[in-house]
Amino acid sequence: KQEVTQIPAALSVPEGENLVLNCSFTDSAIYNLQWFRQDPGKGLTSLLLIQSSQREQTSGRLNASLDKSSGRSTLYIAASQPGDSATYLCAVIGGNNRLAFGKGNQVVVIP
Amino acid sequence: DTGVSQNPRHKITKRGQNVTFRCDPISEHNRLYWYRQTLGQGPEFLTYFQNEAQLEKSRLLSDRFSAERPKGSFSTLEIQRTEQGDSAMYLCASSLVGTVTNSPLHFGNGTRLTVT
Repeated sequence: KQEVTQIPAALSVPEGENLVLNCSFTDSAIYNLQWFRQDPGKGLTSLLLIQSSQREQTSGRLNASLDKSSGRSTLYIAASQPGDSATYLCAVIGGNNRLAFGKGNQVVVIP
Repeated sequence: DTGVSQNPRHKITKRGQNVTFRCDPISEHNRLYWYRQTLGQGPEFLTYFQNEAQLEKSRLLSDRFSAERPKGSFSTLEIQRTEQGDSAMYLCASSLVGTVTNSPLHFGNGTRLTVT
């Protein structure tokens, strides 16, 4: 069974600092990895999708890396803003066609 | 592209009552997923459809839960004889035809169920 772990569970950073969020997974036989953002009481917004053959994906201030062999992904958010405050969820999909999620990184950016 | 739509947004019901939720996926997305999320946890897989066929159900989905996607478009999730432990956010997601390895999942805003 795929297990996804996200560390740290919660963090606070001052505005302008870079954010580094970590995700690890136990089964490296994945098709892709997806990072989501979730605001309180809301659904999930897709941020980045990394195929298993890729090493990273970038979108604006966001960059996600994938090291499939070691079962790790990192989400970098450059120059954080208060609007980046949210929970960030990492999910992997494998041969069972299910997304397996971590519990999330709860981020607070302090103005 | 209007996104994945879920109704209702909130549902409060008394224990023992039946409830039904609806999900309208992104048009032409033929894969549809249901997930459940409780506070402080990541979403947990419940079931998914490829067109109208329900291909997999989690063991989390007891006999009181049933999902349908009759015409391969919208889907419904029904919970019979609700229990307080069913209180959660129910999330629906969809993805593009046959390319789950390449297509991101798009989620709706969820239906929050409270069983009193």
